[in-house]
Amino acid sequence: SQTIHQWPATLVQPVGSPLSLECTVEGTSNPNLYWYRQAAGRGLQLLFYSVGIGQISSEVPQNLSASRPQDRQFILSSKKLLLSDSGFYLCAWSAEYEQFFGPGTRLTVL
Amino acid sequence: AQSVAQPEDQVNVAEGNPLTVKCTYSVSGNPYLFWYVQYPNRGLQFLLKYITGDNLVKGSYGFEAEFNKSQTSFHLKKPSALVSDSALYFCAVRDMRDSSYKLIFGSGTRLLVRP
Repeated sequence: SQTIHQWPATLVQPVGSPLSLECTVEGTSNPNLYWYRQAAGRGLQLLFYSVGIGQISSEVPQNLSASRPQDRQFILSSKKLLLSDSGFYLCAWSAEYEQFFGPGTRLTVL
Repeated sequence: AQSVAQPEDQVNVAEGNPLTVKCTYSVSGNPYLFWYVQYPNRGLQFLLKYITGDNLVKGSYGFEAEFNKSQTSFHLKKPSALVSDSALYFCAVRDMRDSSYKLIFGSGTRLLVRP
């Protein structure tokens, strides 16, 4: 069966520091991968998606970037964090229909 | 443009009573429709989907949803609510022609089931 991992689970970072969040999927090949941000426990904002290795599409211009160095690995990065980057970051994968979500990373920028 | 509307920020229901969480959508092509549930500090869990076929779809934990093409709605229902159903519920839509498989999510509805 397929599983999706995210780490770290929680992160507290100072403003201006770099960021790297990792997502990996097991049990499937060539999945579509997605990064979302959820603010204040409500709506989800799609940040990036990828349909293959090295292929990244950005949905919203911002302080973040994404990379897909391997088929089942998706990384969210920032060179300098802003206060507004705080939130709950969710990774998801999709094969054909529904998306399956990871457990999320709670990021607090101070 | 695709969009999803969940008109209620919160739905309150007594345990044992039926519940409905509303969702309407807008998509240019034929829709794929989904419901997800989120518990505090957790990722989203898939509940059910409509792809094609029977308009009434059944999902996890006793939930069901009815696809109504003329009203562009996909309301989530359960005959008898449990306190443990209290959570945040998201409706999502996808245009079946979109090869990126991107989902458009509604803003979420918080369900509170009181004992």
